[in-house]
Amino acid sequence: NFMLTQPHSVSESPGKTVTISCTRSGGSIATNYVQWYQQRPGSAPTTVIFEDNQRPSGVPDRFSGSIDSSSNSASLTISGLKTEDEADYYCQSYSRVSQGVFGGGTKLTVL
Amino acid sequence: EVQLEQSGAEVKKPGESLTISCKGSGYDFTTYWIGWVRQKPGRGLEWLGIIYPADSDTRYSPSLQGHVTITADKSITTAYLQLSGLQASDTAIYYCATHQGIYSGVVYWGPGALVTVSS
Repeated sequence: NFMLTQPHSVSESPGKTVTISCTRSGGSIATNYVQWYQQRPGSAPTTVIFEDNQRPSGVPDRFSGSIDSSSNSASLTISGLKTEDEADYYCQSYSRVSQGVFGGGTKLTVL
Repeated sequence: EVQLEQSGAEVKKPGESLTISCKGSGYDFTTYWIGWVRQKPGRGLEWLGIIYPADSDTRYSPSLQGHVTITADKSITTAYLQLSGLQASDTAIYYCATHQGIYSGVVYWGPGALVTVSS
């Protein structure tokens, strides 16, 4: 199977822009779509990006996703950071045989 | 309004089996995949498996195959996650979620069901 590696934590100030990376080892990042999920403490996850760069309705356009084949990674970028963006973020994708894998999660601190 | 209603919290002993249900409403149950994810205390998300209720096509995490069984009853728009031979390490919150396609992300998440395995 494959792995998705995320930084354990990132921090940035309100109003700034932060990018969280998700590097795939074992296969191409372009093999299948990458999703990004936000999870605030004590709550179920919510989807902020699906199919690499699509935003569900209701997710502000401050959230954007991309993939980079040269680095075999996906990225979640959040611009105009707000304190409410403070949460854990998980990337997720699939293998060629439709088995899902999550990254280890990144704790975003907005301070 | 799309809703996923999960069964309640459970406390089980090691070696026992468990079935968690996830009832979908407000959408065509047979046209969305339903996946299962768990989160152990203080840990990240773990993908368990996914099922297409229309024909019960199912995929499992390789690390959990044989320990987990996913089924669906489209007549009552309910999916099930069964875990056998429970261990303390199965203590977690279990989420069901709908996916528009097998490779697509989650569209709707269930609220989660806490399972505690303790002697």
